[in-house]
Amino acid sequence: GENVEQHPSTLSVQEGDSAVIKCTYSDSASNYFPWYKQELGKGPQLIIDIRSNVGEKKDQRIAVTLNKTAKHFSLHITETQPEDSAVYFCAASETGTASKLTFGTGTRLQVTL
Amino acid sequence: IAGITQAPTSQILAAGRRMTLRCTQDMRHNAMYWYRQDLGLGLRLIHYSNTAGTTGKGEVPDGYSVSRANTDDFPLTLASAVPSQTSVYFCASSVEGVSSYNEQFFGPGTRLTVL
Repeated sequence: GENVEQHPSTLSVQEGDSAVIKCTYSDSASNYFPWYKQELGKGPQLIIDIRSNVGEKKDQRIAVTLNKTAKHFSLHITETQPEDSAVYFCAASETGTASKLTFGTGTRLQVTL
Repeated sequence: IAGITQAPTSQILAAGRRMTLRCTQDMRHNAMYWYRQDLGLGLRLIHYSNTAGTTGKGEVPDGYSVSRANTDDFPLTLASAVPSQTSVYFCASSVEGVSSYNEQFFGPGTRLTVL
């Protein structure tokens, strides 16, 4: 089965700085890579995703890059703000079948003033 | 628009008791999922359902059962709870299909403590 590793487990950045979270996956058949943000006491919410036919995707201050050869993908948050403080999860799955997402173990991001 | 609702919000349960966690979605999604979230382990899939009438096992199915009698509801049952089932449980749903984006929408979670 798929195995997703995520690093770092905690990350503290100053407001305005960039944050990068990295994930690796094991199953070469995986072709869908979403990122979820979980705020305290809430369920995870999708913030961005990427499919294996593209190498990078941006949405305002967030971007995701994918290297299929190396089997790793990363989340980049620029100009961080206090409201970016949350736990972020990467995940991987193979589309076209049941979307059985395999999640990473999460990164707790703290944006300090 | 409610999305996904879960009940109860939290529960303390004696070991050996039976418990059903409820999950209802109003988005007419055909796929639904149950995850448990434990510190340091992320979210792990317990059971899933591609469509009403079908279910499948995830990564950690032992001790849990599910049913999918209709599109909207996907209850998770612990037949005889054990302390290791203490966790936060999340229900999710998605529009499933070959060309779908597979975004999963999560409920607010149920915090379960088994003593």
